[in-house]
Formats: sequence, structure tokens, C-alpha cells
Amino acid sequence: RKEVEQDPGPFNVPEGATVAFNCTYSNSASQSFFWYRQDCRKEPKLLMSVYSSGNEDGRFTAQLNRASQYISLLIRDSKLSDSATYLCVVTYDNYGQNFVFGPGTRLSVLP
Amino acid sequence: ETGVTQTPRHLVMGMTNKKSLKCEQHLGHNAMYWYKQSAKKPLELMFVYSLEERVENNSVPSRFSPECPNSSHLFLHLHTLQPEDSALYLCASSQDFGQGSLKEKLFFGSGTQLSVL
Repeated sequence: RKEVEQDPGPFNVPEGATVAFNCTYSNSASQSFFWYRQDCRKEPKLLMSVYSSGNEDGRFTAQLNRASQYISLLIRDSKLSDSATYLCVVTYDNYGQNFVFGPGTRLSVLP
Repeated sequence: ETGVTQTPRHLVMGMTNKKSLKCEQHLGHNAMYWYKQSAKKPLELMFVYSLEERVENNSVPSRFSPECPNSSHLFLHLHTLQPEDSALYLCASSQDFGQGSLKEKLFFGSGTQLSVL
């Protein structure tokens, strides 16, 4: 089983739609959780950290369920500029912090 | 501008060539990383340096040789590569390594797109 798994995608949605991405992780000792965004042929950039109580940043909402080892990202009112690949990232302490990336889910927001 | 710069942006090399990738971070971070991103695969961690000391080497072939002369510079020396090594190579930095908190965010450089012929 892969350490971090994500919806395979791609997701093609119209502008203004709400879209949700799911991510599951296998290591129960995982400590920190993030969503990164990667545009085509560019480097990943931090979108948001994921807090235990869930957190919101504008149109983006992240949720964490430690019991189910599950993370989600909700994007409301999608914009064309939201088109990118969304990477779920989990860290755990393996004699040092180890960032483990999911394969990513590609989103295309269509006009 | 992420504060992490990589050169070159693109590199084409033959299997017998020797080349180096360079990374510099201007963020005052103590940890630096090399990641490999192949098509349709997750990012793979290659090497981690914390305070200029290598702390992780994920079973990377010896044809990849990292060097960290100081906390703001990181190199990846390449020699006798194979076509399957063609990928996007990403450098990243973080404030510290091993703190296990949400403060440990990665900042990436733009990457080097490497093609091995």
C-alpha cells in the first residue's frame, strides 16, 4: 500500500463549481499535513497547512480526520486560475522529519 | 520569487557526460533537499542535508552525488546517467529538519528539467 494516496483525477469542473479532493495516509504516526499546489512544469508551492480542527483560507477549506487517516481539500467557487495539480503531503518522524508526497490530483477549471 | 534558486533550468546531457545542478537558498534555512519528479510519479526524496550534514539518502544510485558546502548552497553532481534518470530535479529548503511541526514547510526552487540521451 502506498504511503499517501489521492483521488486519481483528473477533475474537470466548470467555473464557480465546488470541488473536493481526498487523501489517505497509511502511517498512523504522521505528524503534520499540508496541501501543495503545482502548476504545469513548475515547482510545488505551499497552499495551506492542515490543522487538527480544520482550517479555512478564503475559498479553500482543509479537514483532517486522524482516526480515519484522511485529509480533504475543498475549493469553493472555482476559478480558472485554480487549474493545477494538488499534492497531499504528510510528514512523520523517521529519525528526522520526512515529507511524503502523494501522487497529486489534477484539476482543470473550464470556462 | 520563492527564495530558492536553481540552475540550470534545463539540461540535456549524454550518458557519458558529467554535469552539476546548483541550488541556493536565501531564506536562512538550515535544511536542504533534493527531490526527483518523474512523469506521473510522486516526488521522490533523494537527499537531505541538515546544517550541512547529510541526514538521509534514500537508496539513490551512486551516479548521483550531493554536496553541501554550506547551509545555503547545495549541489547535485551527475555522471554516467541513464535515460531513465530524465526527470525534473527539485531543490527545496526548510527552516529546520526533524521538528515535526507545521512550521516545517518546504520551499522549492523552480527545478532543473533534465534529459539524458
